[in-house]
Amino acid sequence: KQEVTQIPAALSVPEGENLVLNCSFTDSAIYNLQWFRQDPGKGLTSLLLIQSSQREQTSGRLNASLDKSSGRSTLYIAASQPGDSATYLCAVRTGANNLFFGTGTRLTVIP
Amino acid sequence: NAGVMQNPRHLVRRRGQEARLRCSPMKGHSHVYWYRQLPEEGLKFMVYLQKENIIDESGMPKERFSAEFPKEGPSILRIQQVVRGDSAAYFCASSPPVWETQYFGPGTRLLVL
Repeated sequence: KQEVTQIPAALSVPEGENLVLNCSFTDSAIYNLQWFRQDPGKGLTSLLLIQSSQREQTSGRLNASLDKSSGRSTLYIAASQPGDSATYLCAVRTGANNLFFGTGTRLTVIP
Repeated sequence: NAGVMQNPRHLVRRRGQEARLRCSPMKGHSHVYWYRQLPEEGLKFMVYLQKENIIDESGMPKERFSAEFPKEGPSILRIQQVVRGDSAAYFCASSPPVWETQYFGPGTRLLVL
């Protein structure tokens, strides 16, 4: 059964710092991996989707990498801003039907 | 193009009552997924539906929970005889072809008293 782990569970950084969030999964037979952002009391916003054949995806200050064979992904956030404060969720798709989510990393960017 | 709509956003029920959660997918999306997020836990898949069909309900509790996605109208997640342990955020997502990104709604937060 697929299990997704995110480390650290919480992270506080000063504004302007670059940071890395980690995601690991136990079953490397995935179709894609997706990073989401969740604000308190809100839904999920998709940030980046990496297909299994890809190594990384970039969007603005965000860069996500995927090492399928080792079961790992990282989300790199450059020049962090207070508005980046949220919970970041990693999810893998191993079949047609559903996503397996990690428990998230709660990020606080201190002004 | 409006996003995925869910209502109500907040729902309070007493033990033993029924809860009905509604989800309207994005325009043009015919695939709907329901997920549950228990307090301090990650999202867990419940059920995957296409129009008028349940494709995968492997994550759905065997009793009291049911889901439908009729030909017309929103998808409905129904919880009968709610218990306190059903208190959670319930998220709906939709997608066009199944391999595409899932787009999530804002969720319904159910509180069972």
